[in-house]
Amino acid sequence: KAGVTQTPRYLIKTRGQQVTLSCSPISGHRSVSWYQQTPGQGLQFLFEYFSETQRNKGNFPGRFSGRQFSNSRSEMNVSTLELGDSALYLCASSLGLATEKLFFGSGTQLSVL
Amino acid sequence: AQSVTQPDIHITVSEGASLELRCNYSYGATPYLFWYVQSPGQGLQLLLKYFSGDTLVQGIKGFEAEFKRSQSSFNLRKPSVHWSDAAEYFCAVATGGNEKLTFGTGTRLTIIP
Repeated sequence: KAGVTQTPRYLIKTRGQQVTLSCSPISGHRSVSWYQQTPGQGLQFLFEYFSETQRNKGNFPGRFSGRQFSNSRSEMNVSTLELGDSALYLCASSLGLATEKLFFGSGTQLSVL
Repeated sequence: AQSVTQPDIHITVSEGASLELRCNYSYGATPYLFWYVQSPGQGLQLLLKYFSGDTLVQGIKGFEAEFKRSQSSFNLRKPSVHWSDAAEYFCAVATGGNEKLTFGTGTRLTIIP
């Protein structure tokens, strides 16, 4: 069974631009969660989608948005990029309950110049 | 809201020595507790989890963790570390249902020969 796939692996953008990250979950998984990882901050929860609906949301500004498609693939968009958005963005999939094991992708490393 | 504290940012251990990584949580009821490991350039992998029952749980790669309600702790242990254990370790808590998983800030483990 293929794991969680995140594309692209690396991204370099400049301030003010927007970016879209993609996540393909494990087949059969209906929940996709997104996390931002920065040194010293650990993993900060962005949002979670379940069956195309946003089910949970973290404390990030509205510049961060996401969506999930009918095949459970998810995209995350960040508009008007700021230097502080530079981070590793991780996607995780699961069957749906928070108590279940999360399967993580390798992440997208975003650098904002 | 639940929270997780990992008081040690960085720990250095000699190969073959024992290891204990600390994790404290804040939550009124019995939480669901997890330990994840992140190797360099990789996503996170579940080591073990505690939901109920026996307070000493066994995980993969020879790791174990003990839930202590009186201390609100869920410390991770390994009797003898290997160089391949060098990684970042994250403790996480969930309250059940559809609530999101909350991660600590992580502990980076360095192994010296």
